[in-house]
Amino acid sequence: AQSVAQPEDQVNVAEGNPLTVKCTYSVSGNPYLFWYVQYPNRGLQFLLKYITGDNLVKGSYGFEAEFNKSQTSFHLKKPSALVSDSALYFCAVRDIDNNNDMRFGAGTRLTVKP
Amino acid sequence: NAGVTQTPKFRILKIGQSMTLQCAQDMNHNYMYWYRQDPGMGLKLIYYSVGAGITDKGEVPNGYNVSRSTTEDFPLRLELAAPSQTSVYFCASSYGQASGSPLHFGNGTRLTVT
Repeated sequence: AQSVAQPEDQVNVAEGNPLTVKCTYSVSGNPYLFWYVQYPNRGLQFLLKYITGDNLVKGSYGFEAEFNKSQTSFHLKKPSALVSDSALYFCAVRDIDNNNDMRFGAGTRLTVKP
Repeated sequence: NAGVTQTPKFRILKIGQSMTLQCAQDMNHNYMYWYRQDPGMGLKLIYYSVGAGITDKGEVPNGYNVSRSTTEDFPLRLELAAPSQTSVYFCASSYGQASGSPLHFGNGTRLTVT
């Protein structure tokens, strides 16, 4: 079965600095990769996805992520962090070839300080 | 367009009681899911449905039941509540899977079993 690892429970950055939230995955077939964001007392919101094609994908709110097949990674990035980016971020993977469900990482709490 | 609507938002149950968590979507999505979210554990899939009349178990189905009589509704039933079922429950829907469709989440139901 597929799995996702988010090695950092917490990421702290200063406003205006670049941010990276890390994600690695494991699937036996072809992966569909996703990033979601969760604000307090809300459900998860879709940010971006990688299906095929260009390894750098751009999503909502200025976020982007780079798919690296050799390192089985899909790190989330943003060139300049905002205080309003502070939230819980989840990486998810779906193995289209072998399974139906989407597996989520444990989440990374991003705090952007003024 | 309401998206995915979950009721109730909060509930406290005594051990052994039963309840149904309601979920409805108005996007005409075929796929619907139930996840539970526990601190530091990410989201775990309980049950999912690929269309009306079809349901299947996810990663953690024990203690739960579901039904899918219509495209719009996907209720989750807890028959004999246990403290281990204290969690935040999220319902989600998607247009499909092969297309890499992202999940659309409701705002969750926070359940406490005491």
